[in-house]
Amino acid sequence: GAVVSQHPSWVICKSGTSVKIECRSLDFQATTMFWYRQFPKQSLMLMATSNEGSKATYEQGVEKDKFLINHASLTLSTLTVTSAHPEDSSFYICSARLLATTYEQYFGPGTRLTVT
Amino acid sequence: AQSVTQLGSHVSVSEGALVLLRCNYSSSVPPYLFWYVQYPNQGLQLLLKYTTGATLVKGINGFEAEFKKSETSFHLTKPSAHMSDAAEYFCAVSDQGSSNTGKLIFGQGTTLQVKP
Repeated sequence: GAVVSQHPSWVICKSGTSVKIECRSLDFQATTMFWYRQFPKQSLMLMATSNEGSKATYEQGVEKDKFLINHASLTLSTLTVTSAHPEDSSFYICSARLLATTYEQYFGPGTRLTVT
Repeated sequence: AQSVTQLGSHVSVSEGALVLLRCNYSSSVPPYLFWYVQYPNQGLQLLLKYTTGATLVKGINGFEAEFKKSETSFHLTKPSAHMSDAAEYFCAVSDQGSSNTGKLIFGQGTTLQVKP
């Protein structure tokens, strides 16, 4: 149980285009999902917290107009990187919180974004 | 505010040897603590967690961790390393402040190398 999927697993796009990444909880409902960014050999950097039916809460320094997050249902959150640039190339990982009463998160397999 | 420090960014052991990965935390409230493992180009997998109750926690793949409040530590151990244990390991503490965001605060990670 507690499986989280991400799609696509990798994507290459041209500078200036937008890319959408999907995060789905497959066998549970997730009221809260999280989006992380990870640079090589580094820890995870939380970008935003996404609650179903409400606006995402962004961490300091994360551009909300550039990284659009939508959490339209209890099983799906999306991250759209708008007007992507090469510096947006990274590994993006989502996670879902199983229950509101616990704090463990279940992580997706990640999406490798390369902007050329 | 909570924080996590992982001592040693890189640990190398021989196959069959004891694995010890160190984690110290800072928390103003009773912490929820987690260890995650990440294999290359993958998301994070939950190894084990401590919330309340027994301070020695057993996880998957033969790993265990002991919560020591007096030392503010949550070190991860495995009696006998296997080649397949080579990966990146992250210790995390939950954000249980008044905001109750459910966020996890991650340590910087420890790379475990297992030598034949």
